[in-house]
Amino acid sequence: DIVMTQSPDSLAVSLGERATINCKSSQSILYSSNNQNYLAWYQQKPGQSPKLLIYWASNRESGVPDRFSGSGSGTDFTLTISSLQTEDVAVYYCQQYYSIPFTFGPGTKVDIK
Amino acid sequence: EVQLVESGGDLVQPGGSLRLSCAASGFTFSDYAMTWVRQAPGKGLEWVSVFSERDGRPYYADSVKGRFTISRDNSKNTLYLQLNSLRVQDTAVYYCAKGFGASSYSSLDHWGQGTQVTVSS
Repeated sequence: DIVMTQSPDSLAVSLGERATINCKSSQSILYSSNNQNYLAWYQQKPGQSPKLLIYWASNRESGVPDRFSGSGSGTDFTLTISSLQTEDVAVYYCQQYYSIPFTFGPGTKVDIK
Repeated sequence: EVQLVESGGDLVQPGGSLRLSCAASGFTFSDYAMTWVRQAPGKGLEWVSVFSERDGRPYYADSVKGRFTISRDNSKNTLYLQLNSLRVQDTAVYYCAKGFGASSYSSLDHWGQGTQVTVSS
């Protein structure tokens, strides 16, 4: 199974400041045939269902604010919130969908400092 | 508007069974992979199972293989998860989620509100 790790476990950022979350896969999730990284990012606010933010590692889902961006390739990925807002307080998960079972990272909790 | 509504969660004793349902609307159900994901109390997300018509077969996490069965009725726009031989560690909120595409190898672009399964004596 592909193991997904995230760092940090939690972080607190001032309003308007940048938040950066890292995600690492235990093997490459870049599919050479289509040059796509099979990596998604989800946001889960307290008491809510998860919401897709980013797919194919860097494609923003429709309706997601452009302060959210995804980057990386192969085994190392990053989710960046360029200017943290109060509504961004949540747990963020990465997930690989390259190889079954489609594993999630353990999550990173983001709070306001 | 895409809607996914899960039902069927309950309190059940260890060794018992349940069938979860996920009623879908707002999209052509048969054209998309459908997935179950669960979340134990205070824990992270765990992928459980996926069924895609395009791939023609279901896939399961090792933790549920042989005990859980995913199925879908495209005429009723409904996804199911049959849970047998339930264990205390199966206690979780179970979410159904729609795949971004037809293949099982898709991100999950819409999620239901979840249904609670509690396994306890």
